[in-house]
Amino acid sequence: KAGVTQTPRYLIKTRGQQVTLSCSPISGHRSVSWYQQTPGQGLQFLFEYFSETQRNKGNFPGRFSGRQFSNSRSEMNVSTLELGDSALYLCASSFDANEKLFFGSGTQLSVL
Amino acid sequence: GNSVTQMEGPVTLSEEAFLTINCTYTATGYPSLFWYVQYPGEGLQLLLKATKADDKGSNKGFEATYRKETTSFHLEKGSVQVSDSAVYFCALSDGLTGGGNKLTFGTGTQLKVEL
Repeated sequence: KAGVTQTPRYLIKTRGQQVTLSCSPISGHRSVSWYQQTPGQGLQFLFEYFSETQRNKGNFPGRFSGRQFSNSRSEMNVSTLELGDSALYLCASSFDANEKLFFGSGTQLSVL
Repeated sequence: GNSVTQMEGPVTLSEEAFLTINCTYTATGYPSLFWYVQYPGEGLQLLLKATKADDKGSNKGFEATYRKETTSFHLEKGSVQVSDSAVYFCALSDGLTGGGNKLTFGTGTQLKVEL
């Protein structure tokens, strides 16, 4: 069974640009969550999607958005990039709530 | 709000030494507690979990007991190996967020095991 796949693995952008990250969950999983990991702030929850609906949201500005498609694949978008958005973005999937989360290897975003 | 505090790292041990990584939490309601491990260049993997007070989670020789009276979930292993070198994260899910999967993580503790 394939694991959680995140693309691309690395991204370099400049301030003011926007970026889209992709996550393909494990087959059959309906929940996809996104986390931001930085050395200073650690792991912080961005949002969770379940059956194409946003079920939970963290404390991030509106520049961070996401969506989920009917096949459970998810994308997150960051507009008007800032230097502080440089981070490892992790996606996690599970079949439903309160079940084991499976994490992808992440997308390393660098904003110059 | 919810928070998780875990001991600062790095923790450096010799192979076969005893490991303890402390974790305490603050949460409303009755949280579920987790330990995740992150190996270099990889995402997080669930190591163990406990869903109610006095539950003991265990996996691969690692154990942690959910202590409600001390709001703690300390990770222990009797004999560490070089292959255990990784970053360990304590986390909680408060179960109050509409039934979703929102985890609050600690800052992580890096473990280095030497021969």
